[in-house]
Amino acid sequence: DTGVSQDPRHKITKRGQNVTFRCDPISEHNRLYWYRQTLGQGPEFLTYFQNEAQLEKSRLLSDRFSAERPKGSFSTLEIQRTEQGDSAMYLCASSFKPLSEQYFGPGTRLTVT
Amino acid sequence: TQLLEQSPQFLSIQEGENLTVYCNSSSVFSSLQWYRQEPGEGPVLLVTVVTGGEVKKLKRLTFQFGDARKDSSLHITAAQPGDTGLYLCAGADQGAQKLVFGQGTRLTINP
Repeated sequence: DTGVSQDPRHKITKRGQNVTFRCDPISEHNRLYWYRQTLGQGPEFLTYFQNEAQLEKSRLLSDRFSAERPKGSFSTLEIQRTEQGDSAMYLCASSFKPLSEQYFGPGTRLTVT
Repeated sequence: TQLLEQSPQFLSIQEGENLTVYCNSSSVFSSLQWYRQEPGEGPVLLVTVVTGGEVKKLKRLTFQFGDARKDSSLHITAAQPGDTGLYLCAGADQGAQKLVFGQGTRLTINP
């Protein structure tokens, strides 16, 4: 399978705990994006990387959120001190070049209890 | 802030009917993409339109990009239950280097 993969697919955590999600993009894609999607809404942009450089962060990304792409391949998104409002689907996408088609992973569904 | 408004937000029709979904903005986009999303899965790219006035066909689906590159439509002919899903439009913002998504149209095709 050469598509975008995300792990885990589902995560249930208690409020206040830290969680980390992983995204493996399509191997030749140098752009990697993170989005958040709540029920009944379209995905909202969080941040993106070109290779290992994080080029833009949305105002949605509070200081409890951090994303890394250390070797320009896979990426991690960490949420510290989770809150119930963080419950959402977290989507990762990759593309070959700026503004070309983005290919999405299956997402990680986070539930904060 | 660029916004994309999709209409209708919900649409439930019978198999065999035709339908059109709209995606509108006051902003100009360098390109516009349409995705379909199944419950619990990520969006799957259907098409990208780049040129103002461009029309692309994908079997029973016809996509059009407005002349001014501010709006788009998706027309489905003879809808089938397999077309059921959340349809999302997304505009590429060249200046900001990211996609802006509409809120989606949830389509249900009843057998």
